[in-house]
Amino acid sequence: QVQLQESGPGLVKPSQTLSLTCTVSGGSISSDSDYWSWIRQPAGKGLEWIGRIDTSGSTNYNPSLKSRVTISGDTSKNQFSLKLNSVTAADTAVYYCAREVSLGYSYGDYYHGMDVWGQGTTVTVSS
Amino acid sequence: DIQMTQSPSSLSASVGDRVTITCRASPSISNYLNWYQQKPGKAPKLLIFAAATLHSGVPSRFSGSGSGTDFTLTISSLQPEDFATYYCQQSYATPPWTFGQGTKVEIK
Repeated sequence: QVQLQESGPGLVKPSQTLSLTCTVSGGSISSDSDYWSWIRQPAGKGLEWIGRIDTSGSTNYNPSLKSRVTISGDTSKNQFSLKLNSVTAADTAVYYCAREVSLGYSYGDYYHGMDVWGQGTTVTVSS
Repeated sequence: DIQMTQSPSSLSASVGDRVTITCRASPSISNYLNWYQQKPGKAPKLLIFAAATLHSGVPSRFSGSGSGTDFTLTISSLQPEDFATYYCQQSYATPPWTFGQGTKVEIK
């Protein structure tokens, strides 16, 4: 079955760029109708959707982060990546990658949900 | 953005209890509502989509209902493995997707 694994530095200095990669196994990021997402969770707090990329490379971002975020895909490596620039302590969190799929269809639209998640990776922003 | 508000933020219950968690959306999201379960140190797991459809492998003691702005997640008979934090998430129309703040279900 599809598995996702996040990787990247666990410590990033303020004002620098956070870079994470999600490696997909057991499936392909080129799969039609799937989206590949990033979500984060500060310690003890709730989940925040960061953004997603689809098989064509089209992206959607959370408006609160849009000016600082880039999500890209590498089909040759079956990976997708997150870059978040100008980080501050507020960006310290566990970062998850996830697959978003179409789970059903009704009245002209699909139901989407995130059905496979990576284990998460902790990123701390500190000097 | 669509705002999602869960209540309560936490609750204490015993094994065998019936538990209900509420999620309110503003504005209306029809039934484009998902529920996730998260255990400490683990990634969330999808439980329910389309407000009331159980995801594959999810026990039948979990159920969801609602449409428009008001939704509920019910656990009919709480089991030891159900102690966790539960999140609602809307997937209406186009992103950004938003989550509720979570409801922690603790052992009484």
